[in-house]
Parts: sequence; structure tokens; C-alpha cells
Amino acid sequence: TQLLEQSPQFLSIQEGENLTVYCNSSSVFSSLQWYRQEPGEGPVLLVTVVTGGEVKKLKRLTFQFGDARKDSSLHITAAQPGDTGLYLCAGDKGGSEKLVFGKGTKLTVNP
Amino acid sequence: DAGITQSPRHKVTETGTPVTLRCHQTENHRYMYWYRQDPGHGLRLIHYSYGVKDTDKGEVSDGYSVSRSKTEDFLLTLESATSSQTSVYFCAISSGGKTQYFGPGTRLLVL
Repeated sequence: TQLLEQSPQFLSIQEGENLTVYCNSSSVFSSLQWYRQEPGEGPVLLVTVVTGGEVKKLKRLTFQFGDARKDSSLHITAAQPGDTGLYLCAGDKGGSEKLVFGKGTKLTVNP
Repeated sequence: DAGITQSPRHKVTETGTPVTLRCHQTENHRYMYWYRQDPGHGLRLIHYSYGVKDTDKGEVSDGYSVSRSKTEDFLLTLESATSSQTSVYFCAISSGGKTQYFGPGTRLLVL
């Protein structure tokens, strides 16, 4: 059973378009993180959201944590080819230092 | 970037042989993790360590063992490699507080 479901699994768009990636669960998380992974490299943390309803912005990226702390979204405005990569969400259920990862969304931004 | 290295970066081996992957950190972080990443499955935790000689199993630990005799090194051993263990293996470290820093990965091919 996958605790964190990410959608879509694949996304191919043109430069300049907007997009939203979703991370959903039936479980409550203490916090949720988003990572980006480029080919041949390890994931790199983008953001951590902790409070239900929280919105964080990182330049053209907007992250939101659901009010019930069961889901999150990542919105990219005016996507650029440099945004290409695998986006992973990871949840912390509390009580340990382990994270649960979603399967990821593979984003391709075409010039 | 966190000081974390993995060796070897690439390895080809034959079914039935033992294989050891090494993760080395220079950050003095308490927690260390081994994941495998496979298409359609995302990142799955194999084993993790919460201190020297303190380890615990993750969700896909069968066929793997680990050791941590020093803070800086976390070894992953495939006792008798099988083709199903062909994967990309990532090591991660954390000082607590949930953020994990990933190494560059090891690509393992078991023939």
C-alpha cells in the first residue's frame, strides 16, 4: 500500500506553461517535504511544510499543505526547461526519523 | 551540499555473489539511511541507522544487511545478489529534524 500517492506520474509541457503536481494520502503527516531529483543525482530538498493550510513560495514554485495535513500540492508558474526533473513528496508521520516517499512526478519542460 | 559520498558509483556483478556498498559522510550526522529506487516504485527504505551499531529494518530489508561501526560510515551488504536487486541505491543522512541529504547514488546491475 502506497501511503503517498502522487499525480500525475508523468507531465510534459511547453516552456511558459503553469502546472500543478499533487501528493495525496489518507494518513495525517506531521510534516511534508518536496524534493527534486535530476537525472543521475540524488534528491535535493526544496521545501518542508509543517502547518495545515501553510503556503510557501520559492521563486516560481508554490507549495501548499492541506488543512488536514493529509495532502500537498506544488504549483509551478511559467515553467522553464531548468525545472525538468523528478519531483518527490515525502511525509513524516512522527515518532521516528523515517520518511515515506511518493513515487514521484516526472516533469519535462520543452523549450 | 552535505558531505556525503557513495562507493562504488557503478557496479556490475553476478547472481549469487556478495556485494558491499559504502556510504561515507563528513557531517557527523546521527542518522543514515539506505534506499533503493526503481521505476514504478519510487524510493523505498532498506535499512537505517540511528547511531553507531544501532540499525533497524525498512520496508524492503530482505536480502540486505547493514553495519555502522563508525559515525561516518554506513555499509550495505547484499549477501547473495539476485537480479531483483538490480537498482539504483541511495544513501541519505540526517541530523534529525526530518531533512535528509542524499548521496549521488550507486547503480548496481546483477547479471
